[in-house]
Amino acid sequence: AQKVTQAQTEISVVEKEDVTLDCVYETRDTTYYLFWYKQPPSGELVFLIRRNSFDEQNEISGRYSWNFQKSTSSFNFTITASQVVDSAVYFCALCYNFNKFYFGSGTKLNVKP
Amino acid sequence: NAGVTQTPKFQVLKTGQSMTLQCAQDMNHEYMSWYRQDPGMGLRLIHYSVGAGITDQGEVPNGYNVSRSTTEDFPLRLLSAAPSQTSVYFCASSYGGSGTEAFFGQGTRLTVV
Repeated sequence: AQKVTQAQTEISVVEKEDVTLDCVYETRDTTYYLFWYKQPPSGELVFLIRRNSFDEQNEISGRYSWNFQKSTSSFNFTITASQVVDSAVYFCALCYNFNKFYFGSGTKLNVKP
Repeated sequence: NAGVTQTPKFQVLKTGQSMTLQCAQDMNHEYMSWYRQDPGMGLRLIHYSVGAGITDQGEVPNGYNVSRSTTEDFPLRLLSAAPSQTSVYFCASSYGGSGTEAFFGQGTRLTVV
């Protein structure tokens, strides 16, 4: 069975602070994909990153970085120098057969000026 | 670019009524799916399709029907609406079945009274 746990329901930070959003997953598949999506207050889902199970390289994109560790089944997301525009709900998702997504419950990030 | 288009954006139904949520994509994607988003639970897969004429159940299929007669369209039917189906519904499409990015529509907010 697939499972994605985002234990942090809501996080509040002050602008310019760094923040890490945790994601822990469970799967018996050896080939799988992990995603992060952002859902701003307007409600749409915005793709952030995809990582396959064979690629454990960390990735940095501007102020965003992702740390994938198969040993701990984690795929954490860090925002450096957070901004008010980063306020959103962030979803971690596990993608498996036929591109089906299993989403975590999401972490709501509040960035205060 | 239209991407994935969902209609309507908002809908109020009475218990027992039926309706169809429309989803259309113009990216020639083979894979399409429907999710529902409830507070604190992330998105859950209702039904998915891997091509015209082929559909299958997801995690929470009860109370919903789908069909896929064309590559572009994937409507979701509620045969007899229940208050438990009050939710935000998202349609998604993707090019392939191996961890490709899913593009989401803007969502349909459905209230059943």
